[in-house]
Amino acid sequence: EDQVTQSPEALRLQEGESSSLNCSYTVSGLRGLFWYRQDPGKGPEFLFTLYSAGEEKEKERLKATLTKKESFLHITAPKPEDSATYLCAVQSAGGTSYGKLTFGQGTILTVHP
Amino acid sequence: GAVVSQHPSWVICKSGTSVKIECRSLDFQATTMFWYRQFPKQSLMLMATSNEGSKATYEQGVEKDKFLINHASLTLSTLTVTSAHPEDSSFYICSARGQGINYEQYFGPGTRLTVT
Repeated sequence: EDQVTQSPEALRLQEGESSSLNCSYTVSGLRGLFWYRQDPGKGPEFLFTLYSAGEEKEKERLKATLTKKESFLHITAPKPEDSATYLCAVQSAGGTSYGKLTFGQGTILTVHP
Repeated sequence: GAVVSQHPSWVICKSGTSVKIECRSLDFQATTMFWYRQFPKQSLMLMATSNEGSKATYEQGVEKDKFLINHASLTLSTLTVTSAHPEDSSFYICSARGQGINYEQYFGPGTRLTVT
């Protein structure tokens, strides 16, 4: 059974204080690892897809990296508008799941001005 | 980027009535759509997967007769909550995935259902 564990559950940062969010996973053949951002009362917003170990992707202040066991979402010099819940999800290559995603519990990020 | 819409964004209904939620992919054809439920301060729980023109595949523990899913076209899927009860109150979110989008799923803005 695919499993995704995110840490920490909550993270409070001062504006400009860089940090990283962790996503550990076990999956029977990784098809893709996904990062989403979710604001309160809204649907998740797609950020990145990573397909293989060693891959990195960047978008503004965010950078996602992937190893065979975990992914990191690095936030450089965060701003208050980066405050949100960040969700990690995996899709396994096995079965006939039509792309079913397994989500972690999320990390609630709060950036104080 | 790929855009998914949901309608309505919020709905209040009385216990025992049915409510339909629409999910549309606006700028791509969605061969597969997914329906999730999210409780406060919790992550997304997959309810069912639907492929255009086929019956939906429900996750274990999800009542098929209560949560009716129809995926009649490549841009529209609907979720009907039948005989709603207060415990069905929740945030329902759909996502859509199309061919050639590298397995990525794009989510709608969600529908807040309150059953009184």
